[in-house]
Amino acid sequence: ERVMTQSPATLSVSPGERATLSCRASQSVSSNLAWYQHKPGQAPRLLIYGASTRATGIPARFSGSGSGTEFTLTISSLQSEDFAVYYCQQYNNWPLTFGGGTTVEI
Amino acid sequence: EVQLLESGGGLVQPGGSLRLSCAASGFTFSNYAMSWVRQAPGKGLEWVSSISDTGATTYYADSVKGRFTISRDTSKNTLNLQMNSLTPEDTAVYYCARATSGWHPWASWGQGTLVTVSS
Repeated sequence: ERVMTQSPATLSVSPGERATLSCRASQSVSSNLAWYQHKPGQAPRLLIYGASTRATGIPARFSGSGSGTEFTLTISSLQSEDFAVYYCQQYNNWPLTFGGGTTVEI
Repeated sequence: EVQLLESGGGLVQPGGSLRLSCAASGFTFSNYAMSWVRQAPGKGLEWVSSISDTGATTYYADSVKGRFTISRDTSKNTLNLQMNSLTPEDTAVYYCARATSGWHPWASWGQGTLVTVSS
């Protein structure tokens, strides 16, 4: 099983600032890595897939990078609606696994 | 517009059973693999199970293998999750999800249904 580790667990930032979230895989997942945004009471929202491709309708301030075992999600200038929990997920191997999440808070 | 609507959640005693359903609309259901993902209270997202477009191939997380069964009814455009031998650790909001193509990642999600396992 690929264990996904996200850091930090909580990121405190101000609106307009840059946020950098990390995700590490215990073994290579190639570029089969997705990022999701999740807000309380809502369905998760796909942001990035293939490690760096933005999903349909996702603003350009969200970007992903990395391959193999090290991945990064960057939010270039945080908007109020971006405060949420972010999860990375590998889909290179079964079982599919998520990281523990990073909470981006004000 | 893709729509996924889960139902069947509720309160069940430990050791009991529950059947979740996900009604799909806005797309050709038989063309897509489908999945279940859950979130326990205060915890992160956890993949539960996936089924191929034809229903011939299924995958399960170790935590539910042998207790949960995923299935699909193409005539009703419905995804199902039969959950047996439930434990309090199965308490969670259960989401159904669909990829844009292939198995993953999941671009479309339902709003979730809450399953509570408690005596």
